[in-house]
Amino acid sequence: DIQMTQSPSTLSASVGDTITITCRASQSLSSWLAWYQQKPDKAPKLLMYKASDLASGVPSRFSGSGSGTEFTLTISSLQPEDFATYYCQEYNSHLRVTFGPGTKVDLK
Amino acid sequence: EVQLVESGGGLVQPGGSLRLSCEASGFTFSAHAMSWVRQAPGKGLEWVSAISARDESTDYADSVKGRFTISRDNSKNTLYLQMNSLRAEDTAIYYCARDLYAGNENDCFDSWGQGTLITVSS
Repeated sequence: DIQMTQSPSTLSASVGDTITITCRASQSLSSWLAWYQQKPDKAPKLLMYKASDLASGVPSRFSGSGSGTEFTLTISSLQPEDFATYYCQEYNSHLRVTFGPGTKVDLK
Repeated sequence: EVQLVESGGGLVQPGGSLRLSCEASGFTFSAHAMSWVRQAPGKGLEWVSAISARDESTDYADSVKGRFTISRDNSKNTLYLQMNSLRAEDTAIYYCARDLYAGNENDCFDSWGQGTLITVSS
């Protein structure tokens, strides 16, 4: 099974900051990597797919990069609504997926 | 508008059974693989199970294999999760989720239900 790690586990930031979250996989994913945002008591929301493609309706301050085993999610000019938990997800296998442990972005 | 609405959650005793349903609307249900994802209180997301669009293939997380069964009725636009031999560690919010692209069987999830809470406790 593919193992996913994320760093940091918690990130404290201020409105207007640019932040980066890193996701690593235990084996190559090519570009089969997605990012989700989850707010308390809400379902996750797809932000990025295929490592760097922006999902429909997602602001352009979100960007993704990487391939193989290392990926990043960058949020430029952090907005108040961006404080949330972010998960990466690999989808390299038939039907089966694995989520990263999550990164909580909170207010400094 | 794509909608996924889960139902069937509740309190169940350890060893008990429960069946979750996820009613889909706003898209061609029979064209998309579907998954169940759960989230224990205060924890991260855990993929539970997935089923291909035409019901030919299924897969399960090791933690539920042999106890949970995923199925779908494309004529009713409904996804199911039959959960048997429930344990305290199965306590979680259970979400159904739709694959981004029709016809794909390795994909991310672009639509999620609101979730249904399962509590396993005596």
